[in-house]
Amino acid sequence: DADVTQTPRNRITKTGKRIMLECSQTKGHDRMYWYRQDPGLGLRLIYYSFDVKDINKGEISDGYSVSRQAQAKFSLSLESAIPNQTALYFCATSDPTGGSYGYTFGSGTRLTVV
Amino acid sequence: GQQVMQIPQYQHVQEGEDFTTYCNSSTTLSNIQWYKQRPGGHPVFLIQLVKSGEVKKQKRLTFQFGEAKKNSSLHITATQTTDVGTYFCAGSYAGNNRKLIWGLGTSLAVNP
Repeated sequence: DADVTQTPRNRITKTGKRIMLECSQTKGHDRMYWYRQDPGLGLRLIYYSFDVKDINKGEISDGYSVSRQAQAKFSLSLESAIPNQTALYFCATSDPTGGSYGYTFGSGTRLTVV
Repeated sequence: GQQVMQIPQYQHVQEGEDFTTYCNSSTTLSNIQWYKQRPGGHPVFLIQLVKSGEVKKQKRLTFQFGEAKKNSSLHITATQTTDVGTYFCAGSYAGNNRKLIWGLGTSLAVNP
């Protein structure tokens, strides 16, 4: 099984719909992140969480919300999806205190808003 | 604000040629990480550099961190088709180590 699992892998949704992207990890890391990737724009941070009670906005949090249900689970919600939220979304984890400096990414969720 | 500039944006080489991508920051970095993303895949962590002037090698890949800790490079010797993908650098800054600042990546294409 993958260390970081994202569901769904692909999703097409309509404008105005609420959608949730889920992420779970088996690495035991405290730190979790949500990024979106658009062609030519690299990886942009949406939200990050350093533990269940520590949730922070990233550089592009407008239109998104998150929930850290447990150490292993971090969900991203689009309350009312719009077409410019069409992108590839990645969840990632890290644990620098444990020596895992690098981020471990999930396989991504490709979201299309029509 | 803090940002990491990465060049070139694209590079197209013949198999067997060398390849280098560069990252530059206007302010001193605490450390820098490098990732590779294959087409259709997700970023995969390659390495982290922390010390001024540090050089690390992974087979045909050589990573360098500048003496002033403001720049870094990834050099691939004798590229292979398996090197195709986008290479990202990501740095963190002292006093703001809660998140990485990502370069926009260099996309490498290799002609067989």
